[in-house]
Amino acid sequence: AQTVTQSQPEMSVQEAETVTLSCTYDTSESDYYLFWYKQPPSRQMILVIRQEAYKQQNATENRFSVNFQKAAKSFSLKISDSQLGDAAMYFCASSGGATNKLIFGTGTLLAVQP
Amino acid sequence: GAGVSQSPRYKVAKRGQDVALRCDPISGHVSLFWYQQALGQGPEFLTYFQNEAQLDKSGLPSDRFFAERPEGSVSTLKIQRTQQEDSAVYLCASSFEGVNGYTFGSGTRLTVV
Repeated sequence: AQTVTQSQPEMSVQEAETVTLSCTYDTSESDYYLFWYKQPPSRQMILVIRQEAYKQQNATENRFSVNFQKAAKSFSLKISDSQLGDAAMYFCASSGGATNKLIFGTGTLLAVQP
Repeated sequence: GAGVSQSPRYKVAKRGQDVALRCDPISGHVSLFWYQQALGQGPEFLTYFQNEAQLDKSGLPSDRFFAERPEGSVSTLKIQRTQQEDSAVYLCASSFEGVNGYTFGSGTRLTVV
C-alpha cells in the first residue's frame, strides 16, 4: 500500500522569504510519480509541481522546486520569494499502479506574512 | 468545457436522504476519478473510470455509495441513506493521458444534518 506523510500541519513564512514543506512517502510501485498540489479556499486542487520517480533531476517550476531523495523516500517542496498568493493548503501526493490514483498526505497550511 | 465542473457546489441533506453529485469532466478526457475529502484531511480515492468502464471502486466506503459514467463523459456519484460521517467535500478529477494531466473540479461540499 502507498502512504504519504506530511509532518508539518502548519507553516509560516515572511513575504519574499523561502520556505520548505516536508513530505515522506512509501510505495511498493517501481514506477510512480510524486506531486505537490495547492488547495486555496476555493477548494480546487491546483498542480504546483510534478516529479517522475525515475528521473534523478529535481523538478523546478519558476519559484517552486523539489528536493527528491528517492532512497530516503523524501519529497520536499521549496517555495522561493514567497508571495501573499502562495498562502493555501499544500498537499503532497503519490501515484502509481494500474489506475494511477493519487494518494494524498494530510496537508500543510501555509501562511504568508506581509 | 474549459475545466471540470461539479454541481451542486453545496448540498445539505437530512440523514437518511439520498443525494446525487454530478461531475462534468473536460471534453475528451478518458480518465475520471472521485475523491472524498473530510474536514482537515487530504482527499481519499473513491473510484476510477476509464471511459464508461468503472475499473476501480476499491475506495467506496460502503454499498451506499454508487458511481456511474454511462456514456463515458458526465459522471454521477450517488449516496443512499446519507449518514453524518458522509459529510465531506467530494472532488472529481479528469485526465486525458493519466498522471500528466489531472484537472480537478472545485468539489461539492456535502453536509448531512
